[in-house]
Amino acid sequence: AAGVIQSPRHLIKEKRETATLKCYPIPRHDTVYWYQQGPGQDPQFLISFYEKMQSDKGSIPDRFSAQQFSDYHSELNMSSLELGDSALYFCASSLIDWGVSSYNEQFFGPGTRLTVL
Amino acid sequence: AQTVTQSQPEMSVQEAETVTLSCTYDTSENNYYLFWYKQPPSRQMILVIRQEAYKQQNATENRFSVNFQKAAKSFSLKISDSQLGDTAMYFCAFMKHQGSGNTPLVFGKGTRLSVIA
Repeated sequence: AAGVIQSPRHLIKEKRETATLKCYPIPRHDTVYWYQQGPGQDPQFLISFYEKMQSDKGSIPDRFSAQQFSDYHSELNMSSLELGDSALYFCASSLIDWGVSSYNEQFFGPGTRLTVL
Repeated sequence: AQTVTQSQPEMSVQEAETVTLSCTYDTSENNYYLFWYKQPPSRQMILVIRQEAYKQQNATENRFSVNFQKAAKSFSLKISDSQLGDTAMYFCAFMKHQGSGNTPLVFGKGTRLSVIA
């Protein structure tokens, strides 16, 4: 079965540079979530999109922006990179079922490891 | 806001033995889901088991089972017949059900489990 694809898998940037992370959800999935996991930390929710509209916002810095495109893939744009942005960035996708008792599992991609030097 | 607490940063268990990982959470929601995720050295996030809050019966998945105590807001994971491949970081996670089905995961800080031969 197709899984969530993230690219690149590894990225090395210098301070103050910009980075773009891409996420391709499982086919037919309409929702994308972005999480940031710092070294030795738990994943922290950044932002999510449903049907190309931002649906929820977490602890995403103002230097970061994201969007979901018409083909449902999503991109996380990071500017003015700081050393503290070094982390593993996960994308997860789900297919929203509007049923009251439904469960919308989030399927995680392999992550993009960003290193800021 | 929801919080998830894992009070055991590290645990170890002998191969073939049983181990229990603890998790407590705080929420005012009545309808929600709880999860245990496994993160091996590859850093992939793997769903181990989930529990719907409206179900009284504890979830089980092969060697993995949970003890869900809704009133106490406790959600522990029991791993039976521990195997070397169970060595990983384990995250407890909470997701509220809003009816929109589109809510992010809130993770605990994790418990690093080592299975010893």
